[in-house]
Amino acid sequence: EVQLVESGGGLVQPGGSLRLSCAASGLTFSSSWMSWVRQAPGKGLEWVAMISQDGSGRDYVDSVKGRFTISRDNARNSLYLQMNSLRVEDTAMFYCATDTYGAFHNWGQGTLVTVSS
Amino acid sequence: ELVLTQSPGTLSLSPGERATLSCRASQTVKHDWVAWYQQKPGQAPRLLIYGASSRATGTPDRFSGSWSGTDFTLTISRLEPEDFAVYYCQQSGSLPKTFGQGTKVEIK
Repeated sequence: EVQLVESGGGLVQPGGSLRLSCAASGLTFSSSWMSWVRQAPGKGLEWVAMISQDGSGRDYVDSVKGRFTISRDNARNSLYLQMNSLRVEDTAMFYCATDTYGAFHNWGQGTLVTVSS
Repeated sequence: ELVLTQSPGTLSLSPGERATLSCRASQTVKHDWVAWYQQKPGQAPRLLIYGASSRATGTPDRFSGSWSGTDFTLTISRLEPEDFAVYYCQQSGSLPKTFGQGTKVEIK
């Protein structure tokens, strides 16, 4: 069974930083594209970033470019999202997901990021 | 950016009824890159359909997906109590990947 477990969320002030982690098990992590998807409270889903199997390919939604960095450690079966210069509008539940032929087949339970002073 | 517009915003139906959810793309997207998700309150989304019409593992066969041009449809043939939820369409045919705004299927 595929399991994705996110961690690292919390309360941070505007302009601050957080690093989210996603621990994967039950799959061949090194063969999987991965993505981060977020959901602001009471709102819809927004794709944030994706990374290729070996980390050489990455892309981001425009609103986070230059502030967020997606990375992975295949030896540790882990995905990361470094978030800098956080804004109030980044407040959301962040999910990691496997990204297979463009569909998000497996999801974690999410980690909540709250940006507030 | 490719915009997906879902309609209706809310669908009020009774158990046993048929639900038809629509998702219209603002530009051409290959059907292989369209998926549907179900989300219940307090839970992560769950993939139902990928490639516009292929059921994901564990998706009951009362769920089906179809398309015509830039119009994509999710049909639930007979609503079960556990099907009342929010449904999102999503595309990966062009970056950024985008989601529709969601359709809430509620009990009438």
